[in-house]
Amino acid sequence: QKEVEQNSGPLSVPEGAIASLNCTYSDRGSQSFFWYRQYSGKSPELIMFIYSNGDKEDGRFTAQLNKASQYVSLLIRDSQPSDSATYLCAGLMNTGFQKLVFGTGTRLLVSP
Amino acid sequence: KAGVTQTPRYLIKTRGQQVTLSCSPISGHRSVSWYQQTPGQGLQFLFEYFSETQRNKGNFPGRFSGRQFSNSRSEMNVSTLELGDSALYLCASSLVPGINEKLFFGSGTQLSVL
Repeated sequence: QKEVEQNSGPLSVPEGAIASLNCTYSDRGSQSFFWYRQYSGKSPELIMFIYSNGDKEDGRFTAQLNKASQYVSLLIRDSQPSDSATYLCAGLMNTGFQKLVFGTGTRLLVSP
Repeated sequence: KAGVTQTPRYLIKTRGQQVTLSCSPISGHRSVSWYQQTPGQGLQFLFEYFSETQRNKGNFPGRFSGRQFSNSRSEMNVSTLELGDSALYLCASSLVPGINEKLFFGSGTQLSVL
């Protein structure tokens, strides 16, 4: 079992819809979670991070964390074609070391 | 504030050669991590440095090594290159190590081994 799992997609949504991206993790020692957006040929760009159970909102983005279920999600409201990218979920182990464990990413396609 | 800077941007080498990649973290950031990204394996952790010390290492062979200098700049070296080493190598920096610290990535070095 991979430490961080994501559906590879593609997830296709029409412009203006809500895109829901999901991620599960196996290690309960993971304390912090990050969502990165990666456009083709570019490096990952941090868009959201969440440390505590519950929801965290930032503009059109909402991250959700449920540590009991070991589940992380990212909601993108009012999806735009420019949101089309691969979204990487990553967990940071509570080892005192900066080791991010990444999922393989979900490709999101927003159609006009 | 300048972001994480990686050089070179592209590199072409042949099997058996060695390569050195460079990373300058965001000003003030003291922790530097390296990741390898391939289409098949995704992003995989190589190692992390803080205060010139390697604090954690991923599951890569000893051909992969790195170091960090007193100004927090870091280099990674891959010796005896193999075809499978072709990948995007990403450097990330954070202020200090810690579970609440965010990592910021550079643009990466695309290494092609022929």
